[in-house]
Amino acid sequence: QSALTQPRSVSGSPGQSVTISCTGTSSDVGGYNSVSWYQQHPGKAPKLMIYDVSQRPSGVPDRFSGSKSGYTASLTISGLQAEDEADYYCCSNAGSYTSVFGGGTKLTVL
Amino acid sequence: EVQLVESGGDLVKPGGSLRLSCAASGFTFSSYSMNWVRQAPGKGLEWVSSISHSSTYIYYADSVKGRFTISRDSAKNSLYLQMSSLRAEDTAVYYCARRPAAIDAFDIWGQGTMVTVSS
Repeated sequence: QSALTQPRSVSGSPGQSVTISCTGTSSDVGGYNSVSWYQQHPGKAPKLMIYDVSQRPSGVPDRFSGSKSGYTASLTISGLQAEDEADYYCCSNAGSYTSVFGGGTKLTVL
Repeated sequence: EVQLVESGGDLVKPGGSLRLSCAASGFTFSSYSMNWVRQAPGKGLEWVSSISHSSTYIYYADSVKGRFTISRDSAKNSLYLQMSSLRAEDTAVYYCARRPAAIDAFDIWGQGTMVTVSS
């Protein structure tokens, strides 16, 4: 149950796009189309942003999109806004009802 | 309003025990699998345990296996985490999270409850 690998930080200016990667193995990211992404502001609970690799829950702006290729999933945020500044975590099914998270990526909006 | 509210967090000595609770409201609790996820201070999220809607399937992270026990009471719309043999590395905010059958993700989270293990 090793954590998925994410960059520790990414940054972008308002209006730009950023992409956060999430790399796993054949036992998690590569083995299931069950990658989800969570946004967490300081002191707050995580919020679901993407599920099943590329699906957006109701209420999540379409600026947020997800994809996957092989063992690596990606979250892309286009048209960056100040309120997007937060920590982002990927998560994958790791077999049955088990899950594994990434180490988290801090997004800074310059 | 769909809501999860955790309680039971406290300061406990190494080797001690603690029981966390998560009260669910606003949805049919018995239809969803439930999970515990924790976050150590300044660190990332770590999945801890899951329990299926009927309690048939229960899983734990290796880091807590044999020490933690997850359970649920649908009559009380509540999820529990019994923690024993606590260690300093168990210090974290513990979140309960709902997982719908239709999607493999945690769509609703509680606000978290803090567990501190220290002498």
